[in-house]
Amino acid sequence: AQSVTQLDSQVPVFEEAPVELRCNYSSSVSVYLFWYVQYPNQGLQLLLKYLSGSTLVKGINGFEAEFNKSQTSFHLRKPSVHISDTAEYFCAVSIIQGAQKLVFGQGTRLTINP
Amino acid sequence: EAEVAQSPRYKITEKSQAVAFWCDPISGHATLYWYRQILGQGPELLVQFQDESVVDDSQLPKDRFSAERLKGVDSTLKIQPAELGDSAMYLCASSLYPQGTYNEQFFGPGTRLTVL
Repeated sequence: AQSVTQLDSQVPVFEEAPVELRCNYSSSVSVYLFWYVQYPNQGLQLLLKYLSGSTLVKGINGFEAEFNKSQTSFHLRKPSVHISDTAEYFCAVSIIQGAQKLVFGQGTRLTINP
Repeated sequence: EAEVAQSPRYKITEKSQAVAFWCDPISGHATLYWYRQILGQGPELLVQFQDESVVDDSQLPKDRFSAERLKGVDSTLKIQPAELGDSAMYLCASSLYPQGTYNEQFFGPGTRLTVL
């Protein structure tokens, strides 16, 4: 079975400051890795994904994430945040073969202060 | 741009009543997922369909929850009777058939259920 741990439930940051949201996963088989964003009372939007290849992946809205296989981590970063980045962020994994259901972490609430 | 449709967006019901949620996936998507997201937690898969067949319903509380996708297109998730602990956001997602390659899951806006 797969599991995902997001190490921070809440992250407050000042506008234009950098941010890192941490994610660790556990799996006995190879997985795909994802970050999703959720704005209040909305569904999930895919920010970025790691499938294979380069361990640094870039996504929408200026976000990027780095896959570290030895540390089983997939941390999300942004060099300068905006008020509009205030949202809930979810790290997720899915196995490569078969049904590809998503297993999510518990989420990190990112709050941007002016 | 094609989207996953869900209705209703919000539902308030009393304990022991029956409720139903509807999902219309993106046209041509053979795989449909229902997730439950309890407040403050990440989504958890309830049931996955491949066309009209159930692929995974291991986390579906089958004593009160049922799901169907009769013609392999839209789907209905039902709860009967509803309990206080069922209050959550119910998310539907769809994707092309996963055949050894990655297929992105697209999420609908969700149905927010409140059980009083």
